Parts: sequence; C-alpha cells; structure tokens
Amino acid sequence: AQSVTQLGSHVSVSEGALVLLRCNYSSSVPPYLFWYVQYPNQGLQLLLKYTTGATLVKGINGFEAEFKKSETSFHLTKPSAHMSDAAEYFCAVSATSGYSTLTFGKGTMLLVSP
Amino acid sequence: SQTIHQWPATLVQPVGSPLSLECTVEGTSNPNLYWYRQAAGRGLQLLFYSVGIGQISSEVPQNLSASRPQDRQFILSSKKLLLSDSGFYLCAWSGQGDIYEQYFGPGTRLTVT
Repeated sequence: AQSVTQLGSHVSVSEGALVLLRCNYSSSVPPYLFWYVQYPNQGLQLLLKYTTGATLVKGINGFEAEFKKSETSFHLTKPSAHMSDAAEYFCAVSATSGYSTLTFGKGTMLLVSP
Repeated sequence: SQTIHQWPATLVQPVGSPLSLECTVEGTSNPNLYWYRQAAGRGLQLLFYSVGIGQISSEVPQNLSASRPQDRQFILSSKKLLLSDSGFYLCAWSGQGDIYEQYFGPGTRLTVT
C-alpha cells in the first residue's frame, strides 16, 4: 500500500522568500509523484509530476520538485514566494503499473505575508 | 481541449433528503472518472472510480452511490443525506493512455442542515 506524508499542515513565508513544502512517500516500488494546488473553493490544478527520467521537474508558476529515491521524498520549492501562491498544496502518489488511483497527502496550506 | 463540468456549484440540503451531483467531461473518450470528498482539514477521500460505462468501484462504504450512465457522465447520489455528508465534492478524470494523472472539476459545496 502507498501512503503520502506532508510535513506541516500550514507553512508561512514572507513575499520573496523561499517556499519549501515537504512530501515523503511510502511505496514498495518507486511511484509516480504529483503536486497539485487548490485555491479556495476551486478544484485541484496539477502543478507538476514525476514519472521517469530527470529527477528535477519544473512545473507551472515557477515551482519545481526533486525526486529523491534514497530519501523517499518529493519536496516542492519555489525560489521567491508571491502573494498569489497562497493556496493549499497536495502531494500525491500512484503506482506505475496496472490500474491505480492516486493517494493524496492531507495537504499543506501556504500562507504568504507581505 | 478537455474540460470537466460539475453542478450544482453549491447545494444546501436537509438531513434525510436525496442527493444527485453530476459531472461531465468534454473533449475526450472513455475517460476514467473519480469522485472525491474533501472535508475540512482531512484532505481528499476517494469515494468511487469508474473505468467504463456501468463499471463502478467503491472505495469507502457509506450511504452514497455512483453511476455512469454514459461514457462521459458520472453521477453521485444518496437516498438519504446525513450531516456527515457535508463537504466539498470533486470529480476528476484521467485518460486511458495516461491513467495516473488526474484532472479535477470545479467542485460542489454540499451543506447538509
């Protein structure tokens, strides 16, 4: 069975500061990994995904994440936070063979202060 | 391009009343379809998924049911709502060729009073 742990239900940063949202997964084999963003009262939007190949993946809105197999991590970063980044972020994992659903973490709310 | 619609956007229903939420996808064929519920502070809970017409898999036993009467239509229903059914309901789809990446609809906010 797969699981996802997002450290910190809330993360606060100042505008212009580094954003780091942590995600660790548990899986018997290296999975596919995703980050989604959710703005208030909206659906989830895919930020980026890792399937195979380069372990550093770039997504929309200046976000990127690095897959580290040895650490079973897929942390999300952005060099400089913007007020518009304030939202809830979800890390998700799926198996890489056969039919599989996504398993989501509980989410991290990013708060950005001026 | 593909789009996913959900309605209604918001709904207030009394305890014991029936429920019907609808989700439709445009611009793709034979998608995999999903229903999630999001309760405050509890992340996303997968309720049902479907790989084809009439094929429904339930992830969590509850008083909800799902149906897929057409290829791109997914319906979430209940005969009698409970207070605990309140939440934000999200529909999602994924393609058959890339079944691991899901795309979400705008959601329905359900309040059971």
